[in-house]
Amino acid sequence: QKEVEQNSGPLSVPEGAIASLNCTYSDRGSQSFFWYRQYSGKSPELIMSIYSNGDKEDGRFTAQLNKASQYVSLLIRDSQPSDSATYLCAVKGDKLIFGTGTRLQVFP
Amino acid sequence: EPEVTQTPSHQVTQMGQEVILRCVPISNHLYFYWYRQILGQKVEFLVSFYNNEISEKSEIFDDQFSVERPDGSNFTLKIRSTKLEDSAMYFCASSRGTLAYEQYFGPGTRLTVT
Repeated sequence: QKEVEQNSGPLSVPEGAIASLNCTYSDRGSQSFFWYRQYSGKSPELIMSIYSNGDKEDGRFTAQLNKASQYVSLLIRDSQPSDSATYLCAVKGDKLIFGTGTRLQVFP
Repeated sequence: EPEVTQTPSHQVTQMGQEVILRCVPISNHLYFYWYRQILGQKVEFLVSFYNNEISEKSEIFDDQFSVERPDGSNFTLKIRSTKLEDSAMYFCASSRGTLAYEQYFGPGTRLTVT
C-alpha cells in the first residue's frame, strides 16, 4: 500500500513567522511531488511542484525534496492569516496519492 | 487563466439512482482524472483517462462507476446505482501530460445520497 504521511496538526504560527510543513512517502518509485492548499469546503489548489532533489522557491514558498529520505517539505515565509488552510502533500508514481493534510493556523 | 469547471455544484439523489457528474477540463490538457473526498478524509484517486480510455483506476472505481468523454470538451463520471457511502465531494482534474505535469482541480461537485 503506497502511503503519504503528514502530521494532521493544527500547526499554529504567528503572523510573519515561517511555517514548516512536512511529508513522507513510501513509494521509492515516485517521480513527482506536489503541495496543494485546500480551504474548507473548497477544492485543492496547486501551490508548488518539485521533481528533483533540493530546494525550489516560488515567492514566499519553498519546497524541499530528499528522495533518499523519502521526504518532502514546504516552507511558508512571512506567514499571513490568509495562509490558514489545510496543506496537502501529493506524490505521483503511477497515480497521484494524497496525504491527509496538515491544518495550518496563522494568528495575528 | 483557464480553469477546470464542474457541474452541478451540488447534487442530491436517492439511493439506487444513477447520477452523472460533469466536467470541462482545461482545453489543451490531455489527461483527465476523477477524485473523491469524503467529508473529513483525504482526497482519493478514482480514475485517470487518456486518449479515450482509462489509463489507471483505483479499487474504489468498481463496476458501478464509468467515465466518458462524450464530445470534445466534456468529461463525465457516472455512478450507476448510488449508495449512501458514495456521498462525498467529487473533483475533476486535468493535466497536459502525466508524470512531471501538474494536475489542476475543478471546484468539485458535492454528492449527497439519501
